[in-house]
Amino acid sequence: AQSVTQLDSHVSVSEGTPVLLRCNYSSSYSPSLFWYVQHPNKGLQLLLKYTSAATLVKGINGFEAEFKKSETSFHLTKPSAHMSDAAEYFCVRSDAGGTSYGKLTFGQGTILTVHP
Amino acid sequence: NAGVTQTPKFQVLKTGQSMTLQCAQDMNHEYMSWYRQDPGMGLRLIHYSVGAGITDQGEVPNGYNVSRSTTEDFPLRLLSAAPSQTSVYFCASSPLRRRSGNTIYFGEGSWLTVV
Repeated sequence: AQSVTQLDSHVSVSEGTPVLLRCNYSSSYSPSLFWYVQHPNKGLQLLLKYTSAATLVKGINGFEAEFKKSETSFHLTKPSAHMSDAAEYFCVRSDAGGTSYGKLTFGQGTILTVHP
Repeated sequence: NAGVTQTPKFQVLKTGQSMTLQCAQDMNHEYMSWYRQDPGMGLRLIHYSVGAGITDQGEVPNGYNVSRSTTEDFPLRLLSAAPSQTSVYFCASSPLRRRSGNTIYFGEGSWLTVV
């Protein structure tokens, strides 16, 4: 089965410092990869997606992620954290073809805490 | 354009009761699915559908039934609720085209507590 692993269950940063949320995926024919954010008691909001067009993907709110096939990674970064970035982040893959078509596989989630 | 609409947002059930979580989308998406979210486990697929009249089981289907009589609606039924079904439920939809990468749209979630 295809998998997604978020390497940190919790990340804590100070406001104004960089954010790095790590995600690795099991290798397959090229998956599509997404990052979603979920604020407390809210639904999931798409931050960005990778669909093989460009390896560096820019998303909303200053986030970006780089697809590295050699490392099977899709880490999410932001140069400067804001208090409003505190939330839970999910790395998600979608596989094309066969019986996996359209199915999403979620990472376990990373809770980002931002300190003043 | 309302996107994906889930109801109810909050529900408390007694063990053994039945209920239906409603999900509707107005984007004419073929693909709809239900997930449950539990702490530390991300979202897990319960059931999904690739079109009206077609449903299939996901990773954790036990205790849940679905049907897809129209493109717009994909209700999730709990026939006899159990405390283990206490969770947050998300409905999602997306177009179904012969490539991946289509954005998946999520509903706002339904918080279900079974006592």
